[in-house]
Parts: sequence; C-alpha cells; structure tokens
Amino acid sequence: QKEVEQDPGPLSVPEGAIVSLNCTYSNSAFQYFMWYRQYSRKGPELLMYTYSSGNKEDGRFTAQVDKSSKYISLFIRDSQPSDSATYLCAMSPYLGNQFYFGTGTSLTVIP
Amino acid sequence: DTEVTQTPKHLVMGMTNKKSLKCEQHMGHRAMYWYKQKAKKPPELMFVYSYEKLSINESVPSRFSPECPNSSLLNLHLHALQPEDSALYLCASSQENSGFGYTFGSGTRLTVV
Repeated sequence: QKEVEQDPGPLSVPEGAIVSLNCTYSNSAFQYFMWYRQYSRKGPELLMYTYSSGNKEDGRFTAQVDKSSKYISLFIRDSQPSDSATYLCAMSPYLGNQFYFGTGTSLTVIP
Repeated sequence: DTEVTQTPKHLVMGMTNKKSLKCEQHMGHRAMYWYKQKAKKPPELMFVYSYEKLSINESVPSRFSPECPNSSLLNLHLHALQPEDSALYLCASSQENSGFGYTFGSGTRLTVV
C-alpha cells in the first residue's frame, strides 16, 4: 500500500465550479500537510500548508485535514481556467526534510 | 529573492557525455534537494543536503553525483546516463527541519539520447 493515495483524474470542470481534490494516507504519524500546484513543464508551487487537523482558507482555496479519517482535501471556489494544472498533495510526520507526495490530480477548468 | 533558479532549462546529452545541472537560492535556506520527476508521476527524492552535508541519498545510481559547494548552490553531475534517466530534474530548498514545504525551481528537462 502506498503511503499517500491520490486520484490522478483527469478532472474537468466548467469555469466557476467548486473543485474538490482529495488525498488519503495510511501513516497516522503524518502531521504536516501541503498542497502544491504544478503547471505543465514547471516545478511545483506551494499553495497551502496545514498542521494537524482543521481547516485553512486562503482566498479561493481551502485546505481541510481530517486525521481521524486520514483524509485531506483542497477546495477551489469559483474555479478559473488559470487553475488548470496538476495538484499534488504532500505530507510529513515530523519537522524534517522528507515529504511523501501523492501522484497528483490533473485539473482542467473549461472557460 | 524568493526563488530557486535552475540552469539549464533544457539539456540533451548522449550516453557518453558528462554534464552538470546547477541550482541556486538566496533565501538563506539550509536544506537543499534534488528530485526526479517522470511524466504524470510525483517527484521522487534523490538527495538531501542539510547544512551543505549530504544527509539523504535515496539509493541513487552512481552516475548521478551531487555536490553542494556552499549554502546557496547545489549541483548534480551527470555521467554515462541511460535513456530511462530522461526526466524533469527539480531542485528545491527549505528551512532546516521545516514542516511547511519546499520552494521548487522550474526544473531542468533532461533528454538522454
């Protein structure tokens, strides 16, 4: 079983839709959770990070962590064509230098 | 300066060539990383440098040789690569023991012919 599972998609939505991206994980020790956005042929860009459980909001983006279910989500409100990218979740059990990445979900927002 | 700069952006090399990838950051980050990413796959960790010392080597073949000349620079020396080594090579940096993610460069797209 992989440490982090993420549906690769592809996911296609109309402009303005609410997008839900999800990852599940098996290691209950994970405490630090991140979402990255990666445009084609570019490096990943850190979007949001959270520690332990709860929600965090930044503009149109909301990250949720449910440690009891070992499930994290990223919601994108009022999705825009510029949100079209691959979204990677990543997580770590401790303040350290190694993170575990999901496989990424490819999102296309259609104008 | 909040960027990680990688050069070159694209590289085509033969299997007998020797080349180097370069990475630079001026954010004062003390941890630097090399990742390899194949198409439609997540990044795979290759090497971690912490305070200019190699702290993690994820069983990478010896044809990849990392070097950290100082706290701002990271190199990856390539020799006798195979076509299956073609990938996007990403450099990243972070605060030491940061649980809050990396700053990635845009990568070097390597093609081995």
